[in-house]
Amino acid sequence: QVQLVESGGGVVQPGGSLRLSCVASGFTFRSYSMHWVRQGPDKGLEWVAVISYDGGNKFYADAVQGRFTISRDNFKSTLFLQISSLRDDDTAVYFCARSENGYDNWFFEVWGRGAPVTVSS
Amino acid sequence: EVVMTQSPATLSVSPGERATLSCRASQSVSSNLAWYQQKPGQAPRLLIYGSSIRATDIPARFSGSGSGTEFTLTINSLQSEDFAVYYCQQYKDWPSFGQGTRLEIK
Repeated sequence: QVQLVESGGGVVQPGGSLRLSCVASGFTFRSYSMHWVRQGPDKGLEWVAVISYDGGNKFYADAVQGRFTISRDNFKSTLFLQISSLRDDDTAVYFCARSENGYDNWFFEVWGRGAPVTVSS
Repeated sequence: EVVMTQSPATLSVSPGERATLSCRASQSVSSNLAWYQQKPGQAPRLLIYGSSIRATDIPARFSGSGSGTEFTLTINSLQSEDFAVYYCQQYKDWPSFGQGTRLEIK
């Protein structure tokens, strides 16, 4: 079945770095845009970043621009998020999510279960 | 940035009754509006996209309407499994979500 499974979350000190992964299965990964969406403790949802189906285009929310890097490996059906210069307000569950291609189709049909990231000293 | 505002924050409805949830955009998003359901400890689940199109396997008791800046999610004949938090999301601009409406049992 269609599935996204995140990994790589954990506890990291302020200013530290972490790399999240999301392995896709059950669909043709290389045909879809992929996103990261996060949810802080008892908070709502916040879009973080998107990467086009071929990796050629990447866009970020202002809150993470310059600190986070989204990438993908279509041969391994895997999405990545390199997060650095972490701050307290980056504490959240990070979800990977699939959308159709094209910015006017960026709603999220498939979600992973999420990877928790806690920024704490 | 398009700001999405949902109301009410919490809605108490009895099983079998109808729930009506509202979502307002700070500027027109045309029909580029989606609704999600989220239960504790789970990922969001897509219910509606294009303002009114039900996603795959979503029951017909869920319906969406609206365009421009005002949108509504209606859930008829509430079932026990429908009590959850609901989010709207626009995708006319960079994606943004409302703060959520908690639907609780009355």
